[in-house]
Amino acid sequence: GAVVSQHPSRVICKSGTSVKIECRSLDFQATTMFWYRQFPKKSLMLMATSNEGSKATYEQGVEKDKFLINHASLTLSTLTVTSAHPEDSSFYICSARLQGPHNSPLHFGNGTRLTVT
Amino acid sequence: QQQVKQSPQSLIVQKGGISIINCAYENTAFDYFPWYQQFPGKGPALLIAIRPDVSEKKEGRFTISFNKSAKQFSLHIMDSQPGDSATYFCAASYTNTGNQFYFGTGTSLTVIP
Repeated sequence: GAVVSQHPSRVICKSGTSVKIECRSLDFQATTMFWYRQFPKKSLMLMATSNEGSKATYEQGVEKDKFLINHASLTLSTLTVTSAHPEDSSFYICSARLQGPHNSPLHFGNGTRLTVT
Repeated sequence: QQQVKQSPQSLIVQKGGISIINCAYENTAFDYFPWYQQFPGKGPALLIAIRPDVSEKKEGRFTISFNKSAKQFSLHIMDSQPGDSATYFCAASYTNTGNQFYFGTGTSLTVIP
């Protein structure tokens, strides 16, 4: 099956620093990847859609300068949380979909728990 | 606006019982309805999915029932086990969006031994 690998699984950083999270599709190519944020006991909130070779599309209310997304290849997208603050502490999850039929499932990474102190 | 409404928010079931989670949607253009299972600290994993041309799909103990006219679909977990304790999300997508999925708010299932 399709595998999405996300790294790191946990990160603790100091306020004001930047953190990069990587999302890789291991056995398939993903033209599009998605970044979600999830608060405790809450649903998945789509932050942005990452498109290979072009700019990401951000959802309303998501600061593009704070959450930098780069999708440099068909198997790698990165999310950088810049100048992190405690309120950015959350669970970030990436996902990708196999190219081809649109009614194919999203495959998720295992998430990154970010704690900003 | 919540595109997919999910209920209940939480559910407690005895081991061996049937767990039922319901979802409803408004947009008739949706053409793909997956269910995801998420354990604490992990990403969601695809459990089972259905398309609107089928009224029911079964995989092991998991069954999706789909009612196109009512715009509702549900997940049934037969012979529920403590290992099924997790959060379940329904979702919907449609071809015209290309890729975006709309998720329900999740159901926290606890199966009591």
